[in-house]
Amino acid sequence: QQQVKQSPQSLIVQKGGISIINCAYENTAFDYFPWYQQFPGKGPALLIAIRPDVSEKKEGRFTISFNKSAKQFSLHIMDSQPGDSATYFCAATAGAGSYQLTFGKGTKLSVIP
Amino acid sequence: GAVVSQHPSRVICKSGTSVKIECRSLDFQATTMFWYRQFPKKSLMLMATSNEGSKATYEQGVEKDKFLINHASLTLSTLTVTSAHPEDSSFYICSAAQGLLAFFGQGTRLTVV
Repeated sequence: QQQVKQSPQSLIVQKGGISIINCAYENTAFDYFPWYQQFPGKGPALLIAIRPDVSEKKEGRFTISFNKSAKQFSLHIMDSQPGDSATYFCAATAGAGSYQLTFGKGTKLSVIP
Repeated sequence: GAVVSQHPSRVICKSGTSVKIECRSLDFQATTMFWYRQFPKKSLMLMATSNEGSKATYEQGVEKDKFLINHASLTLSTLTVTSAHPEDSSFYICSAAQGLLAFFGQGTRLTVV
């Protein structure tokens, strides 16, 4: 059972455009939702994270939108740059102090000049 | 963010030999570390949870006798792939938790020939 569904699988965006990646979860016990960025041959790096008590969090060009009732959250990358080309994973974890992450399947983002 | 160092980044070994991968939290103590395996263009698959001073907890389907995990200190966990075979070739990644955040190592590309 896939507990975090991520879409799209791949995404091509023009430089300067907005990249949008969506995730949906099933487990209502999830209470922390991080996004990770992974470049080829490297480990994932934490990008931004949100808790369900807020509907939006913004850090620079990266914004997470969270819809608790729909059990969905999304990552928006504004003014996308070629350097943003990477694979992005959404994740979720449940319970304070629980560090076990459930990952989405990933989205390969390509930003073309 | 916190730094997790994983070594080696790449290793090639002969079939039947054992390989040890180290994961260190450089600037914080981690009572719990995680080991993942990642296939090409796929998401991270949790293999086991490594607990300092106690036995690791393995996910279903992961052979504990093949993938030996030792978490001898609060800053070091090791994964030993015993009697490696070509099908064990993969990208192995560790992570360590600090507070609510999980930080990943750089990953180890294991190739068994």
